[in-house]
Formats: sequence, structure tokens, C-alpha cells
Amino acid sequence: ETGVTQTPRHLVMGMTNKKSLKCEQHLGHNAMYWYKQSAKKPLELMFVYNFKEQTENNSVPSRFSPECPNSSHLFLHLHTLQPEDSALYLCASSQIGLYTDTQYFGPGTRLTVL
Amino acid sequence: AQSVAQPEDQVNVAEGNPLTVKCTYSVSGNPYLFWYVQYPNRGLQFLLKYITGDNLVKGSYGFEAEFNKSQTSFHLKKPSALVSDSALYFCAVRVPSKGGGYNKLIFGAGTRLAVHP
Repeated sequence: ETGVTQTPRHLVMGMTNKKSLKCEQHLGHNAMYWYKQSAKKPLELMFVYNFKEQTENNSVPSRFSPECPNSSHLFLHLHTLQPEDSALYLCASSQIGLYTDTQYFGPGTRLTVL
Repeated sequence: AQSVAQPEDQVNVAEGNPLTVKCTYSVSGNPYLFWYVQYPNRGLQFLLKYITGDNLVKGSYGFEAEFNKSQTSFHLKKPSALVSDSALYFCAVRVPSKGGGYNKLIFGAGTRLAVHP
């Protein structure tokens, strides 16, 4: 689990706040992902960065803004969130180009929007 | 449509008994299948995967999974359950992205495994 780290682990914010989630991978991978995990719903893929370029945005509201400055770091900038955005946000990384490109996940950030 | 189904929300097993967590899939082409486990307040941990070859795949913590092409299933198994195996288990299938260049994982809804002493 130490291969992908996420900070903070817990975050409580008001609807007018601006905050950022950080993810760092120490596995030498070239792709990083943001997922949202809500209660009683399957994991939702939000964004994918492949070689630092965003290659997927799964119709995510603009109040979520990703940033990938290099292949090891991924951010999710949050602003004017809604209570329904409360969830566990998971970061993952993989090595694209390998036969299997298994995704490895971080511990997640538990976000509560008041 | 490509999808993964985990028909059981929860599986209850007594410690020491064998366990099975079920997964069925629907994909075009050859399936690449994965199992992940999630402990409370933790991220997903990779357990095992099937790509090709032997239908019985062995993974971490004594888990194994059996790929059955005719039944489109990939059930997770363990011969003797431990209380510490209690967690949320996710099955996933890899599918190509629309734009190409990488692969996506489609996850099942998850199955909660409860192992009782």
C-alpha cells in the first residue's frame, strides 16, 4: 500500500471552501487515475492521466479539477462542492504498455462536505 | 455492454470453512479479470488476476480464483477462511478505453465477506 500515497486521509470542508487532494506514486508508473467510491455504488472512474496527459474525463462536474504535473504526482482540486460529493476518493496508478497494467490503489481520502 | 456482476451483497462463513465469492462478467473478446480486497478505511489491495493460461489463479493471502469461460465466471476462493479475511471484495474486468492508449477497469458492486469465529 505504500506504493501509492494520498493526503490528507480525511477532509471536512464547507461548500464554499477550496481544497486539494494529493496523490503520489512510488512505483515508476506512467498512468494515474482518480476514482470516487460512494456508499452502495460501484467505483466510478473520474479521470485518467496517461503520460501526464488527461485521456479521460467521465463527465465529472467542473467543481472537480485534476492536475498532473508529472507522472508521479496527481492532484484533485475541489471547489464549491455539494454534500453529495462526500465519498472516499481513491487514486491509482499503473504501467501502461505492460501486458497486464495492473492498477495499484492508494488508501484514499475520506471527504465530507458540510 | 461490458459489465461485472457480484450477485451476493454479503457472504457469511465460519472460520476454518472454505469460502467462495462469486463474480460473473460480460465482455467482448478475451477477458482480463482481477480481484481486489478493501479493508475498513483502506484503499483497494490487488489480490490476483487472470490474463491467460491456467484457469486456476493463485494470489495473495492464500486466495485463488477459478476462471470458467463457458460460465463467464471468475469466482474467488479460499480453502480455509480466517476472521482477518473479513473485508469488502471487488471483482473487475479490464476493457480498452474509447480513445485507446490505456485500459479501464470496470468494477462489480462488491461483496462483503464476514468470517465468524
